[in-house]
Amino acid sequence: DVKVTQSSRYLVKRTGEKVFLECVQDMDHENMFWYRQDPGLGLRLIYFSYDVKMKEKGDIPEGYSVSREKKERFSLILESASTNQTSMYLCASSFSDRAYAEAFFGQGTRLTVV
Amino acid sequence: EDQVTQSPEALRLQEGESSSLNCSYTVSGLRGLFWYRQDPGKGPEFLFTLYSAGEEKEKERLKATLTKKESFLHITAPKPEDSATYLCAVQANSGGSYIPTFGRGTSLIVHP
Repeated sequence: DVKVTQSSRYLVKRTGEKVFLECVQDMDHENMFWYRQDPGLGLRLIYFSYDVKMKEKGDIPEGYSVSREKKERFSLILESASTNQTSMYLCASSFSDRAYAEAFFGQGTRLTVV
Repeated sequence: EDQVTQSPEALRLQEGESSSLNCSYTVSGLRGLFWYRQDPGKGPEFLFTLYSAGEEKEKERLKATLTKKESFLHITAPKPEDSATYLCAVQANSGGSYIPTFGRGTSLIVHP
């Protein structure tokens, strides 16, 4: 079974802190994604990576950065956490090949910024 | 721009009452359409991938179908444990993009 593991289920951080969310996948997927999910807004893409050290901005990259030093690991960084970044954060990964296009998600990290 | 619209936003069913969820999409060349189930506080769980019009996939009480403009998720004789939010996503062929576009989901509640 595909496994995408996020480092924390719940996090509480203070405004202004630098926050790291880690994601590891065990299926040798080329693509990795970070989304945030808020009630009424659905899933919104923050950043996407299609290869090691490669990244592309998604729809809402402001206030976030990412790092992909190894194929299996994709980190999301909140440079200076703010209360409007309180949300559910979801990591996903997928193959690039057409026959295996579906993305698989981690269990999510519920981040609260106080 | 790829778009995915799911309807209804919310659906309440009695146990055993069959129904369908709709996912309408516009995409410049469909690479794949995906259905996911999401339980509260958890990440989406992959259900099905459909690649071409006319294709159907089944899993227990769920059956997904695909036309050139929409997909349906049919739920036959649902049980309370089928209560969840169901998400639809599409992935386009254009530009080598691997990014799926998600709809906002249908929240399904099945009453015993």
